[in-house]
Amino acid sequence: SAVISQKPSRDICQRGTSLTIQCQVDSQVTMMFWYRQQPGQSLTLIATANQGSEATYESGFVIDKFPISRPNLTFSTLTVSNMSPEDSSIYLCSVGFWGASYEQYFGPGTRLTVT
Amino acid sequence: DAKTTQPNSMESNEEEPVHLPCNHSTISGTDYIHWYRQLPSQGPEYVIHGLTSNVNNRMASLAIAEDRKSSTLILHRATLRDAAVYYCILAESRAGNMLTFGGGTRLMVKP
Repeated sequence: SAVISQKPSRDICQRGTSLTIQCQVDSQVTMMFWYRQQPGQSLTLIATANQGSEATYESGFVIDKFPISRPNLTFSTLTVSNMSPEDSSIYLCSVGFWGASYEQYFGPGTRLTVT
Repeated sequence: DAKTTQPNSMESNEEEPVHLPCNHSTISGTDYIHWYRQLPSQGPEYVIHGLTSNVNNRMASLAIAEDRKSSTLILHRATLRDAAVYYCILAESRAGNMLTFGGGTRLMVKP
């Protein structure tokens, strides 16, 4: 299993600014993912954070808007750039272990409000 | 992407069994069937998964149809703490641990 923490837990930001969200895991993990959950909606995968290389983005998400770093096997950051009110969402980090049963562990999420 | 279909919401009485259905008619032979749930104001948590055979764990049971085109998550005795959104997800084996969430079923438990 894995325990995941995210910082900040919530924030209110002005449009046009950027926010970096941190995800810290208590053990080394193979896979790290970033999801977005818009109000009242299900989760949408933004990207897979790859250690030592560029993240792999899903359709509709681009690196300029959501740059991701993963410097080691326990830490990743997601930046939401040039924010607009449409970026108001919960952003969640999750982790998985390669070769295991595809079980993922999710962080508590970061609630972002853009005004 | 293989897709799943779930009812938007279901109600249950406390301490009664709950059967949450999921249809996945386009499932491929190597897709695993996963269930996650999301309690209010929390990230999703793993419930159970299976490939072909029925599965049991401390949280729930998973019944998989013989043709694998549908499955049912069974909570044997619902409690108020089981009120959550339950997601049925097909894990695409070639995509590693990638999970594609659908709409899920919001389970309401009445005392």
